[in-house]
Order: sequence, then structure tokens, then C-alpha cells
Amino acid sequence: GENVEQHPSTLSVQEGDSAVIKCTYSDSASNYFPWYKQELGKRPQLIIDIRSNVGEKKDQRIAVTLNKTAKHFSLHITETQPEDSAVYFCAAGAPSSGSARQLTFGSGTQLTVLP
Amino acid sequence: DTGVSQDPRHKITKRGQNVTFRCDPISEHNRLYWYRQTLGQGPEFLTYFQNEAQLEKSRLLSDRFSAERPKGSFSTLEIQRTEQGDSAMYLCASGRETDTQYFGPGTRLTVL
Repeated sequence: GENVEQHPSTLSVQEGDSAVIKCTYSDSASNYFPWYKQELGKRPQLIIDIRSNVGEKKDQRIAVTLNKTAKHFSLHITETQPEDSAVYFCAAGAPSSGSARQLTFGSGTQLTVLP
Repeated sequence: DTGVSQDPRHKITKRGQNVTFRCDPISEHNRLYWYRQTLGQGPEFLTYFQNEAQLEKSRLLSDRFSAERPKGSFSTLEIQRTEQGDSAMYLCASGRETDTQYFGPGTRLTVL
């Protein structure tokens, strides 16, 4: 089955700096890569996703890059703000029954933005 | 609130008891997923429904776990003879034909 590894497990940055979180996956059939943000005690919320037919996607201060050959993808947050502090999860989705995606998640990165 | 809802939000039970959780997906979402999340870890896939059909089950889903979605709308997840290792957050997500999965707030289960 799919295995997703995520690094680092904790990340502290100064407000205004950039943050980068990296993930690797093992299943070459995976072709959907979402990133979720989870604040303490709250539900995971999708912040950005990318499909394997593109190498980069941006949404304001957030960008995701994908290297299919190397099987790794990264989340980039620029101009970080204290409200960006949360746990971030990457995930990889491969086609399964009924064309749905069974997501395999990384173990998470606790991002702390210091004011 | 038109998002995914789950009930109850918290459940404390004694070992050996049965528990049932409910998930109400976003209206018209035909896909429904159950995940389990333990402290410090990402969600782990348990099972998936498309409409009322249960199409995928993880090896994590032992015989004590059963899930249903009888009318293709809400879903229930039952755990029989609970064990302390079942303590976790149980998350439900729903989606349509696109890949996006929207998560509910979860049910936190504590088995004493």
C-alpha cells in the first residue's frame, strides 16, 4: 500500500518568513495530493491540492510543487502570519473503487509562527 | 451550517460496551469516508461508501467495526466490544465526483 512520509514534524518560523513542508510517497499510482490544515480541536480543512498532471499550483500565499519522478511534493507558505500556526497534513490519493480516492496521510507538521 | 456534521462529538464508554457514531454528509455528496485519527498522527482510512454501497474497507477495520449507509445519505459506524486501543478521533468526510474530501468535526471516543 501507499506510504507517505512528512518532514519536518515541527517547524518554527518568524512572522513574515517562509515555511516549507516536504512529503514523499511510495505508490506511483497516486495522482492526487491534497494538503490539510488542522487547528487544535478542529476538523482538517483543505487548503490546496494538486493533481499529477501539473507541477505547481499557487493560491495567494500558499503554493504546492510536485515532482512525480522523485515522488515528492512540498507545501510553501510565504509571508507567514500567526494565524498560520496549526498542524499541516499532506496526503496522497490513488484511484480506488468507484474512481474515488483513498487518501493516505503523512504524520503531520506542527507549524508555529512566532510574532 | 451546511458542512459535514457528526454526532456525538464526544463519547466516553467502558471497555466491552458497544458504541455507534453518526455522520451526516454535505447534501448531495454521494461519497462518504470514515477515518480514524490518533494523537499526533494523520487520519487513517477506514472505509468508503459511494451512495449506499460500501466499496472499500481497510485492514484496520476489524470484525468489531461495522459501517452502514442505508439510504445513501447519513452513515453510522458501530464499534462492538470496545477496547482501550479504540480510543481515537473518528472523522467522517464527504465528497462528490471530484477528489476533494470535506471533513466533519469528528467524534472523540475514550474507552476506559
